Amino acid sequence: ETGVTQSPTHLIKTRGQQVTLRCSSQSGHNTVSWYQQALGQGPQFIFQYYREEENGRGNFPPRFSGLQFPNYSSELNVNALELDDSALYLCASSLFGREQETQYFGPGTRLLVL
Amino acid sequence: TQLLEQSPQFLSIQEGENLTVYCNSSSVFSSLQWYRQEPGEGPVLLVTVVTGGEVKKLKRLTFQFGDARKDSSLHITAAQPGDTGLYLCAGGYGGGSYIPTFGRGTSLIVHP
Repeated sequence: ETGVTQSPTHLIKTRGQQVTLRCSSQSGHNTVSWYQQALGQGPQFIFQYYREEENGRGNFPPRFSGLQFPNYSSELNVNALELDDSALYLCASSLFGREQETQYFGPGTRLLVL
Repeated sequence: TQLLEQSPQFLSIQEGENLTVYCNSSSVFSSLQWYRQEPGEGPVLLVTVVTGGEVKKLKRLTFQFGDARKDSSLHITAAQPGDTGLYLCAGGYGGGSYIPTFGRGTSLIVHP
């Protein structure tokens, strides 16, 4: 167990709706990254937050947005949901700097968009 | 276009067999990682390799980073049912924030 928690575990939404996913990082970690993992694919990087600022973004539209809080927990928000947004959403926490390539993943939130 | 190509995509073997999975890219990475992901869970980091030609061993698992730092392999000796899972490789670049690029994964099933 990594100490990274995500909520909810499962979620069903309909097209056009908005969703907020939550992640609590491992104690001592200051960086949170979010990934989308579609069925049969590897995780795709959405964005990373460090010190409450976005610190890198993958090829995802602006309707994917995020926040990081002073306690380093994080939220992923997706507006105007589309069917293709159905996926496992993973967050990973790490310590920015020397060991930053060591990421610890949470169990994910499985989102189904109908 | 997948930056990191993993092969084979699927592998179904009997307990006790050996296997090798591959991760190939046209890009040079400063580091490469292997993860194992089980159903309903997030990926768990197995190893990070950073030096061209580097070999690391983790019990029955042997990881190798290619000399040119573009490819890697994972060899499992005497596979066990507990090795079942999705094996993912991820390449990254040093400096600034670390943002790895993942391959599609190799799905391994080891039958008792």
